[in-house]
Amino acid sequence: GENVEQHPSTLSVQEGDSAVIKCTYSDSASNYFPWYKQELGKGPQLIIDIRSNVGEKKDQRIAVTLNKTAKHFSLHITETQPEDSAVYFCAASQLDGGTSYGKLTFGQGTILTVHP
Amino acid sequence: DTAVSQTPKYLVTQMGNDKSIKCEQNLGHDTMYWYKQDSKKFLKIMFSYNNKELIINETVPNRFSPKSPDKAHLNLHINSLELGDSAVYFCASSQAYRGKKLFFGSGTQLSVL
Repeated sequence: GENVEQHPSTLSVQEGDSAVIKCTYSDSASNYFPWYKQELGKGPQLIIDIRSNVGEKKDQRIAVTLNKTAKHFSLHITETQPEDSAVYFCAASQLDGGTSYGKLTFGQGTILTVHP
Repeated sequence: DTAVSQTPKYLVTQMGNDKSIKCEQNLGHDTMYWYKQDSKKFLKIMFSYNNKELIINETVPNRFSPKSPDKAHLNLHINSLELGDSAVYFCASSQAYRGKKLFFGSGTQLSVL
């Protein structure tokens, strides 16, 4: 089955700095890579996603890059703000069938703290 | 209007008891899930239902029994609770069993004493 490794487990930055979280996946059949943000006491919420036919996607201050050959993808947050503080999860899935369709395999999570 | 709601939010119980967690979604989605988040924040899928039919069962002990009376509801019943069952359980939903965007509930923190 799929295995997703996420680093770092904790990340502390100053407000205004950039933050980068990296993930690697094992199953070359995975073709969908979402990122979820989990605030304290809440469920994870999708913030951005990317499909394997795209190398990069950007949405305001957040961007995701994908390297299919190396099987890794990254989340980039620029101009961080205190409200970006949360746990971030990467995940991998197949959207077009296979035995793991519909199943998201999550990374271990990164606790991001943005200091004012 | 809460999209995915689960009750209760907190559940404290003794070992050996049986308990249920309820989940409802008002998004019109046809697929619902149960995820378990352990103390280290690791999220792992337990079950997935599509149109009331079990699609994914991730080798969860048979003490856990999901029940989907209709597309909008997926309940989780746990028999003979054990200490290791303590975790946060999240219900989620999506449109079509191929996943894509999952909408999560706010979680049920289960503590087994």
